[in-house]
Parts: sequence; structure tokens; C-alpha cells
Amino acid sequence: DAKTTQPTSMDCAEGRAANLPCNHSTISGNEYVYWYRQIHSQGPQYIIHGLKNNETNEMASLIITEDRKSSTLILPHATLRDTAVYYCIVSSNAGNNRKLIWGLGTSLAVNP
Amino acid sequence: DTGVSQDPRHKITKRGQNVTFRCDPISEHNRLYWYRQTLGQGPEFLTYFQNEAQLEKSRLLSDRFSAERPKGSFSTLEIQRTEQGDSAMYLCASRPSGGSSGANVLTFGAGSRLTVL
Repeated sequence: DAKTTQPTSMDCAEGRAANLPCNHSTISGNEYVYWYRQIHSQGPQYIIHGLKNNETNEMASLIITEDRKSSTLILPHATLRDTAVYYCIVSSNAGNNRKLIWGLGTSLAVNP
Repeated sequence: DTGVSQDPRHKITKRGQNVTFRCDPISEHNRLYWYRQTLGQGPEFLTYFQNEAQLEKSRLLSDRFSAERPKGSFSTLEIQRTEQGDSAMYLCASRPSGGSSGANVLTFGAGSRLTVL
């Protein structure tokens, strides 16, 4: 699976949008971009995923560049409960893929 | 059934003892994963089941580790002769079968934290 690069940490003011970048310059054509987050002492939580089109759900929006070499996760109105480590993972959905390769993620601190 | 359950949530043991963790996945999910996570790191894949069949094991899973899913429902992860390096959070995740675009949408449990003294 392709590797991803994320900033180690970011800060965001409560109520503002949090924009978390991810570089995945070696992504291949059949690989999706997945985002998970992990709040302290809890298991990871799925947020959103996409292939090439921008995606939006009740939690976040995912913007993928046209060349697919980078993406941005947007939390439109960050709250204190969004403080967590955010992981960007690229992975194929092909039949032989059975696991996700996790990096170190971005530690997002939402400040009052 | 509202999620993936793991038990115990915390386990403190002495070096050399055996420990067992249990995972109850979402009932309709036939795929079950075990991951290990140490402080400050992302989760690392350990092993994967489809129904009762263990289809893949990581090199991280030494011969002291064994995982089972005897009836394709709950799973257990046993660590024999624990070492201090085994101290970590052990995470279980599950998902339904199928090759749709959401093939890697996993539901994780809260994890079992192991401390080996």
C-alpha cells in the first residue's frame, strides 16, 4: 500500500474549520483514501473515504486533488470533542487486501 | 448489538504469565481483525479472520501469540509467557464481507490495554 505523510500536530480554534492535509504521492489508481480518528484511550473511528471525487458525510468532507497525490480532511465546525489523532490511509479494495497500514497520524488539538 | 466489544479493558500481569483477550464483533460481520498499538504509534496489523478461518498473520505474531475464532463469531487472542515488550493496546475490529468501495471501513472496539510488569 502507498505511504502517507501527515503533519505531526495541528491546532484549531473551537467553531472554526479544521483542515487536515495528507500527502500520498505514490497512490495507485485503485487505491482509496481513508480517514480514521482516535480519541485518547479509545479505538479508532472511521470518518470518511474516497477514490477521486470529493466526499461529504455527517462528520466531515474529503477533498482529493485531481492528480490524487494529496487530500484534505475538513471538519467544518470543530468542537472540543474533535480533539484526536487523525489517520490518513491509502488502501486498495482489491480482494487480496485484508489490512490497513497505519502511520503516525496528525494530533489535532481543538482549543476553546 | 451496537458495536465491537472487547474484554477485559485493562489487564496487568507479571512477566511470564499467560493472558487472553476476547473480542465480540458486530454480529453480521464475518471479517475480524486484531491490531496492536503501542504508545505514540499507529495500530499494527496482527491477524485476520474470515468466519472461522485465520487467513493472514503478521510477522509480529510470534509463536507466543495465538488467535482463534472457533465458531466464526467471537475471537480470542492469547499471549503466552508474556514479556514487557508485549505491553500495548490490543484492538479488535470487524467488517462485513464484500468488495464494495467501503471494503476497508472497519468498526473497532475500545481495545484491551495490557501492562506487563
